[in-house]
Amino acid sequence: EVQLLESGGGLAQPGGSLRLSCAASGFTFSSYAMSWVRQAPGKGLEWVSAISGSGGSTYSADSVKGRFTISRDNPKNTLSLQMSSLRVEDTAVYYCAKMRGGLSGADDYWGQGTLVIVSS
Amino acid sequence: DIQMTQSPSTLSASVGDRVTVTCRASQSISSWLAWYQQKPGKAPKCLIYQASILESGVPSRFSGSGSGTEFTLTISSLQPDDFATYYCQQYESYPYTFGQGTKLEIK
Repeated sequence: EVQLLESGGGLAQPGGSLRLSCAASGFTFSSYAMSWVRQAPGKGLEWVSAISGSGGSTYSADSVKGRFTISRDNPKNTLSLQMSSLRVEDTAVYYCAKMRGGLSGADDYWGQGTLVIVSS
Repeated sequence: DIQMTQSPSTLSASVGDRVTVTCRASQSISSWLAWYQQKPGKAPKCLIYQASILESGVPSRFSGSGSGTEFTLTISSLQPDDFATYYCQQYESYPYTFGQGTKLEIK
């Protein structure tokens, strides 16, 4: 059974940093691209970032480019999102998702999300 | 970036109704479209990918169609469990983008 468990959310100050993690199990982690999607309170879904199975290719939304870095540790089956220069508008639930196959795929499994609040 | 526009934003319907949600892309995305269902406080769930392929375990009352720039999600006979918010997403090119969502409410 595929399981994705996010952690690391919490309260951060504007300009601060936070690192999110996603522990994956139930599938061959290194064989699949992974992504982060966020949802601000009461709003729709916003794609954030994606990474190939090897970690060699990454993509990010313009809204987070230069501030957020996606990475993965395949031996530890862990996906990460390093967030810096946080803004109030980064407040959201952050979901990690397994992509169907490579970097060109839909998100077929999602974690339950971790809440990030950016506030002074 | 490819813009995705869903209609309607809100849909009121009754159990047993047939409903259709439309998603339009600002440029052709071939069939690289997914539909997700989200219930309050829960993670999204993928229902359909590649415009018309049903995810394993998704009831057959859900169906998807379309290609190019216009797509539809149809629920043939609404069940109580189907009242939720639905999102389309294009994955033809980065940055991947979602529609704004369609909230399906009980009439």
